[in-house]
Formats: sequence, structure tokens, C-alpha cells
Amino acid sequence: SAVISQKPSRDICQRGTSLTIQCQVDSQVTMMFWYRQQPGQSLTLIATANQGSEATYESGFVIDKFPISRPNLTFSTLTVSNMSPEDSSIYLCSVVATGGYTFGSGTRLTVV
Amino acid sequence: SQQGEEDPQALSIQEGENATMNCSYKTSINNLQWYRQNSGRGLVHLILIRSNEREKHSGRLRVTLDTSKKSSSLLITASRAADTASYFCATDGGATNKLIFGTGTLLAVQP
Repeated sequence: SAVISQKPSRDICQRGTSLTIQCQVDSQVTMMFWYRQQPGQSLTLIATANQGSEATYESGFVIDKFPISRPNLTFSTLTVSNMSPEDSSIYLCSVVATGGYTFGSGTRLTVV
Repeated sequence: SQQGEEDPQALSIQEGENATMNCSYKTSINNLQWYRQNSGRGLVHLILIRSNEREKHSGRLRVTLDTSKKSSSLLITASRAADTASYFCATDGGATNKLIFGTGTLLAVQP
């Protein structure tokens, strides 16, 4: 299975600021996804990160709030923009590779 | 949006007992997977069952799939305190390979 390095593991941010989360994969993968897990809830898919083109967002998520970059097949970033306390969640990236699905260890974001 | 509904939402059992969790989903799937998450940490993949399979075993885990009812169950036999975690089902429904997660079951195994 692919191995993902996700950074940062946690952060506390001021409202109105932005945070960029990075995921680095140890192999080239076609499919990469970003999820949000609100406190006590399940995972909700934010978007599919497409290499060389704009991300595909799920209903309820927009590019202005969650811009995503995917410059190559091993790396992606998710930015949480203009944060409010409601954005406090765990954010996870995921890839599909030979051997199945792999998830990053998550970024625990607290907005104060 | 959430694809699957899981029940129960929470389950508390004694060590040694069996734990059964159920998952229902809404649309056609390629496969269904079960994951475990300890205290908000990373997800651990437990087992994958394909749409043409009805039952699968892995150690103390048994998963069933009924595509006619769009439901799956996860059975953990002879539970241990270390099994305490949240369990999620997730469906892969198409060419995009994106996983849609169920609402989850919080399992507490009392020693």
C-alpha cells in the first residue's frame, strides 16, 4: 500500500486566517481525495484532487473556501480559507493505489 | 453527503462477547469496506467485500453483504478491550473510486 505523509498533524488557528494542509505520497497515484471529519461525526468527502486540472468538489463544498492543488501525482494541498470555529475538524487525505485505499494520519484543526 | 447509515450508533459490551454492527447504503456499489478509528486518529482498513461476494472472514471479523437489501454487517467475535473504537462502513460505487462513509458505530468493550 501507498504511504502518506500528512502535515501538519494539528494546528490552532485564529478565525479569518487560512491553513494549508499537505499530503505527500511515496508513489504516484491517480486518485487522491480530501475528507473532513467534524467532531464526533463520520468522514465527509470534500473533493477529488485531479492532477493538472481543477478539483472536483462535492455538494456543499466550494473552491473559494477549500482550494486544492495537485501539481503532480505524489503531492496535494488543501487550504481551509477564512476560517471560522465551524471549520474545527480533522482533515484527511486519501489515495487509491495498488493494495487499496490509504489514509493520511489527519490534521486536527482548531479555530479560535 | 453520507451514503450509509449505521446502527447502532453506540454499542457497549463486555469482553468476550460478540459485537454486530450494521450498515445500509443507497446506491449500487463496486465494493464495501469497513474501517476502524481509535479516538479520532487515523483510519485503519479492516476488510473489503466486493459486490459479488456475500460473506468474508478475516481473523475475528466476519462481514456479510446483501446487495438486494443494500446492507452489510460486521461481526467481531470474542471482543477485547482493545477493540474499543469507532467503526465505519464505506462504499465505493463507481469509476471515480471515491469512498462514501457511513455514520459510524462507537463500540465500547468493557474489561
